[in-house]
This record gives sequence, C-alpha cells and structure tokens, in this order.
Amino acid sequence: EPEVTQTPSHQVTQMGQEVILRCVPISNHLYFYWYRQILGQKVEFLVSFYNNEISEKSEIFDDQFSVERPDGSNFTLKIRSTKLEDSAMYFCASRTGFQETQYFGPGTRLLVL
Amino acid sequence: SQKIEQNSEALNIQEGKTATLTCNYTNYSPAYLQWYRQDPGRGPVFLLLIRENEKEKRKERLKVTFDTTLKQSLFHITASQPADSATYLCALDIHSFGNEKLTFGTGTRLTIIP
Repeated sequence: EPEVTQTPSHQVTQMGQEVILRCVPISNHLYFYWYRQILGQKVEFLVSFYNNEISEKSEIFDDQFSVERPDGSNFTLKIRSTKLEDSAMYFCASRTGFQETQYFGPGTRLLVL
Repeated sequence: SQKIEQNSEALNIQEGKTATLTCNYTNYSPAYLQWYRQDPGRGPVFLLLIRENEKEKRKERLKVTFDTTLKQSLFHITASQPADSATYLCALDIHSFGNEKLTFGTGTRLTIIP
C-alpha cells in the first residue's frame, strides 16, 4: 500500500542553523501539507500546497519557513534559522482530492539545541 | 475559530469491552470528520472518515457516528484488545478559500487492560 515517507527520522541542529525536512507524498496525490506536533500537544497545521504554490499557511508559518516541490516527487520544508521553539515532530501529509482523506508520514523529530 | 474537544485525556477499558470515545466541536459544522490513531513517536494513521450526510460508518471492529445537531462524533472499538492501546485523534476539515486543512483535537489516550 502506498505510503507517505519522510527523511530524516531524527534531526538535531544548533539554534540559528537551517534545516530541510523531506517528504515523498503518495504518487497520485495532488494536495500536500505540513503539520507539526510539539511534545505533549496537538497536531497543528502549518501549510498547504497545491498546483505548485502555497494554498494557505498558519500564523506559525512565518518568513523563516518555506516549502518547495523541486522535482515533482519530493516536497520539502525548510526552516531558515531554527529557534528552540521549533523543536517538534513535523508531519507531511497528502491527499488525492477534495474532501478526501489526508495520509500522514511517520514524521521527522527535530530537536533544536 | 473551530474548537474541538475530546472527552477525556485518558481512558482505561477492560479487554473485550467496547471503548467509546467522544469528539465535540463548536462553531460551524465540518463537511466531514476523521479519526486517526497515533502511537508514541509516530504519525497519525487514518482509521475512518465520515461525511456530514452520513450517520454511521463501520470498519471491522470500529464504528463512528456523526451527529451534526449535537455537533458530536462518537468512536467505538468493540471487542477491544491490548493492541488497540494508543492515542485516538479526532480531526475536522476546515474549508478556507476552497482549500482544506485539518484541525485536530488533543486526543484520547486509550489503554486496554488485559
């Protein structure tokens, strides 16, 4: 069964460094998302992406964040200058179309020191 | 903004019994509602989706109901097993300019006691 995959599974970085989180959505899906979950808290929406552009972003998704679909299969989240409060699990999700299920990847655990 | 409440943070159920989890929401009604399972350190795994025009959906030992009048969904696991122990998340779609994003509840941590 097709799955959303994410790399790396864990990332440790120093505050102020740039990180890129990678996702490979399910191949026939058209809508892509990033969510995050701070330890012990709920899953929160960050950004949605469709037709090669951002559809919507939350207030968390400030100028330090960017997303890209560089080659038609990968979907990346870049944090330009990480802060301590960026430490969280980051989940990629994708879906085929309108009102269809979002399928989530296993997540990347980001720790900013 | 949409607010979602899941009835309890933790629920302990004896093996073999039915576990019932509740999801209540405020404000406008979503077009659909989803239930996910999340194990520690893992991503949400899709279980069931129910649309606003459906009252009930079943999949094996799982059943979900959706009452748009009460603004509530119930999630049932029958003949519960220790392997069902996990956190269960309720998620609603939020329509915005034709886009959809999910708003999650905080989850209910279910423990099935052998």
